[in-house]
Amino acid sequence: SQKIEQNSEALNIQEGKTATLTCNYTNYSPAYLQWYRQDPGRGPVFLLLIRENEKEKRKERLKVTFDTTLKQSLFHITASQPADSATYLCAPGKGGSQGNLIFGKGTKLSVKP
Amino acid sequence: DAGVIQSPRHEVTEMGQEVTLRCKPISGHNSLFWYRQTMMRGLELLIYFNNNVPIDDSGMPEDRFSAKMPNASFSTLKIQPSEPRDSAVYFCATFRMMNTEAFFGQGTRLTVV
Repeated sequence: SQKIEQNSEALNIQEGKTATLTCNYTNYSPAYLQWYRQDPGRGPVFLLLIRENEKEKRKERLKVTFDTTLKQSLFHITASQPADSATYLCAPGKGGSQGNLIFGKGTKLSVKP
Repeated sequence: DAGVIQSPRHEVTEMGQEVTLRCKPISGHNSLFWYRQTMMRGLELLIYFNNNVPIDDSGMPEDRFSAKMPNASFSTLKIQPSEPRDSAVYFCATFRMMNTEAFFGQGTRLTVV
């Protein structure tokens, strides 16, 4: 069955450092992969989408990579700030008419000042 | 646009009672997904609709769960009868079209006692 694993439940880093979150998937061939941010008591909010034919995508301090051979995506936040503290979810998605979007359990990031 | 609107925000009910959760999607969004989130299992896909038609309900845990989308501006998720293990946060998410970013509602926190 399809399986999505995010490297750890929690990640603690110091302000200013780069946070790297990992998303691995098995028994799955996604056409794209999305990353979301979730704050306590709120719904997930979309951050970035990367397609299978893209190696890397950037948005401000965020960078996502997608390696279909390793079946892995890496999510980086550079120059991290306490405001980046949240849970980050990855979601590989199928293309075409099979649009179901399934999520990993997420990694809770804490950025300490 | 006000975004995806879910109601109620919180629901406390007794075991055995019927519970109805409601979702109003963003106007023009053709796909609607229902998710359930718990600490143990993360964000689970229950069912999704495309153009008001149910596409995949394989994530619905039991026959006690049912979902409808009578028109493009309204969807319901019903649990009858409810059980304590149904306690979770239920999210509705809509998409402009398949394979694009999801817009989540604020969620309904359901507690079954």
